[in-house]
Amino acid sequence: LAKTTQPISMDSYEGQEVNITCSHNNIATNDYITWYQQFPSQGPRFIIQGYKTKVTNEVASLFIPADRKSSTLSLPRVSLSDTAVYYCLVGSRGAGSYQLTFGKGTKLSVIP
Amino acid sequence: SQTIHQWPATLVQPVGSPLSLECTVEGTSNPNLYWYRQAAGRGLQLLFYSVGIGQISSEVPQNLSASRPQDRQFILSSKKLLLSDSGFYLCAWSGGGYGYTFGSGTRLTVV
Repeated sequence: LAKTTQPISMDSYEGQEVNITCSHNNIATNDYITWYQQFPSQGPRFIIQGYKTKVTNEVASLFIPADRKSSTLSLPRVSLSDTAVYYCLVGSRGAGSYQLTFGKGTKLSVIP
Repeated sequence: SQTIHQWPATLVQPVGSPLSLECTVEGTSNPNLYWYRQAAGRGLQLLFYSVGIGQISSEVPQNLSASRPQDRQFILSSKKLLLSDSGFYLCAWSGGGYGYTFGSGTRLTVV
């Protein structure tokens, strides 16, 4: 399983764009990159997933360079409600085995 | 659509008492099921996962056990709880391409 490294914490003011970068140097060819968001006392919630280049949904964008050894989650114009822990994970898709290892994540604090 | 149910939401148990947490999934068949634990201020630790009925893999040897008596039911148990078993327990399932879907969690406090 590819190991990921991401900052322990980040602070941002409301309305700013936040970029959280995750390193995954030994990502495998079949691995996808998935980001989750977790609020206190809740289970993690899927945000976005990608394999290469750029993926965008209504919540965030995910930028993946050509070598795929890192990825950046971009949250546009954050609000106080975006204060949460964000996890970056890599793993292969498929119903047979999709076992992911969660690191400690990045605790994002949005300041008014 | 698929849903995952986990109960109870909170639980306070004395040291040495037994534990049973239940998780059920609806709207899918043959899901991969997982139990995670999150200690206060820590990341998620994978405890057990199951790819089918009666098939349990343990990631961390400890005071807990898991069982999967039915396709969409996953149970976490302990015969005698320890103080160190306190934490936030999460059940999750996967079966498609978008990773895990988590339950709402059980906050266990062992006193």
